[in-house]
Amino acid sequence: DQQVKQNSPSLSVQEGRISILNCDYTNSMFDYFLWYKKYPAEGPTFLISISSIKDKNEDGRFTVFLNKSAKHLSLHIVPSQPGDSAVYFCAASPNSGNTPLVFGKGTRLSVIA
Amino acid sequence: GAVVSQHPSRVICKSGTSVKIECRSLDFQATTMFWYRQFPKQSLMLMATSNEGSKATYEQGVEKDKFLINHASLTLSTLTVTSAHPEDSSFYICSARGRGTGYNSPLHFGNGTRLTVT
Repeated sequence: DQQVKQNSPSLSVQEGRISILNCDYTNSMFDYFLWYKKYPAEGPTFLISISSIKDKNEDGRFTVFLNKSAKHLSLHIVPSQPGDSAVYFCAASPNSGNTPLVFGKGTRLSVIA
Repeated sequence: GAVVSQHPSRVICKSGTSVKIECRSLDFQATTMFWYRQFPKQSLMLMATSNEGSKATYEQGVEKDKFLINHASLTLSTLTVTSAHPEDSSFYICSARGRGTGYNSPLHFGNGTRLTVT
């Protein structure tokens, strides 16, 4: 049973436009959410996170929005650049101790020049 | 920032042999390390959690006798795939959490190891 779902396996966006990657979760115990970027044959690189007490966190071109009531979060990248092309993983962690992250299946973003 | 080094990055071995993968935290003490596995076009699946100085906790369906995890120091954890078979071919990734950091801090990942068993 997938607790973190990324329903779009891929997304293509024109350079300069906004990329919106979506993520849904089912576990109401999740309290901390992260986005990771991953290139082939490399480990995931941390991008941005948000705690459940917030509904928005911004870092440069990257903004994460959290809608707790809908159990939904999204990552906005604007403007999108060709170097943003990668697989983006949504991850979540429950509010308890030293727990691992639960990952979605990832969305492959292609930014077209 | 926190750096996690994983070695080797790529290994090819024959069926029936064992392979050891090392995961090191370079600039922090990793009290907990997590081992993940990723099959093509799939998510990162947690295999086991290892705490320094104690036995690893394995996820359901992961054979502890096949995937031996040792976390003998605060900077090193190893995963040994014993008697490897072609179905063990996958991308193995370690991640580490430092002392004093909790659930609401990002995990830092190694660069992964691509294991191919022929």
